[in-house]
Amino acid sequence: GEDVEQSLFLSVREGDSSVINCTYTDSSSTYLYWYKQEPGAGLQLLTYIFSNMDMKQDQRLTVLLNKKDKHLSLRIADTQTGDSAIYFCAESTGNTGKLIFGQGTTLQVKP
Amino acid sequence: DAGVTQSPTHLIKTRGQQVTLRCSPKSGHDTVSWYQQALGQGPQFIFQYYEEEERQRGNFPDRFSGHQFPNYSSELNVNALLLGDSALYLCASSFTADTQYFGPGTRLTVL
Repeated sequence: GEDVEQSLFLSVREGDSSVINCTYTDSSSTYLYWYKQEPGAGLQLLTYIFSNMDMKQDQRLTVLLNKKDKHLSLRIADTQTGDSAIYFCAESTGNTGKLIFGQGTTLQVKP
Repeated sequence: DAGVTQSPTHLIKTRGQQVTLRCSPKSGHDTVSWYQQALGQGPQFIFQYYEEEERQRGNFPDRFSGHQFPNYSSELNVNALLLGDSALYLCASSFTADTQYFGPGTRLTVL
């Protein structure tokens, strides 16, 4: 089956690191994505990782993939108040790239 | 380079009415996917259009239909609106099954 799960809420202090976790069920997923959504807005692509990779780093963002446990995480270094948003994990399935999303993790950054 | 655009931004309809939402893909993209995002939830896949054909469909009733034009733009039509159709409707474009980029969404309210 296709299912993606995330914890609902994370609160951190400005300057700390944030780690958002996600689990998925479809072992045939080809790509896994992280999107960011600010209030009232669409989804902004943050980063993605191919399923045969373990890690990807992109400036302040680090994605870790444990394919055996079907676990994906997004680490944001030096978290800023502008990082406050909802973060969605998504898996890409099948030959159409259809996305299956988690329910989103609300990141609250306290000054 | 314009990203994905959607119109209108907001829409208010009453139960039983019909609505048409529009999407223009990012330049160079040939595939359009539509998602429904209910309040507090992750986006749910409605369907995907490629080469003017519906290539894949999610678990949505036939009241939801779509179209893709030769210039790759797309429409989503919803007939016989229900209160539960109130949501943010997101369009995403991609080059075939590659990474999807989202538009700002259309907020539909059904009264």
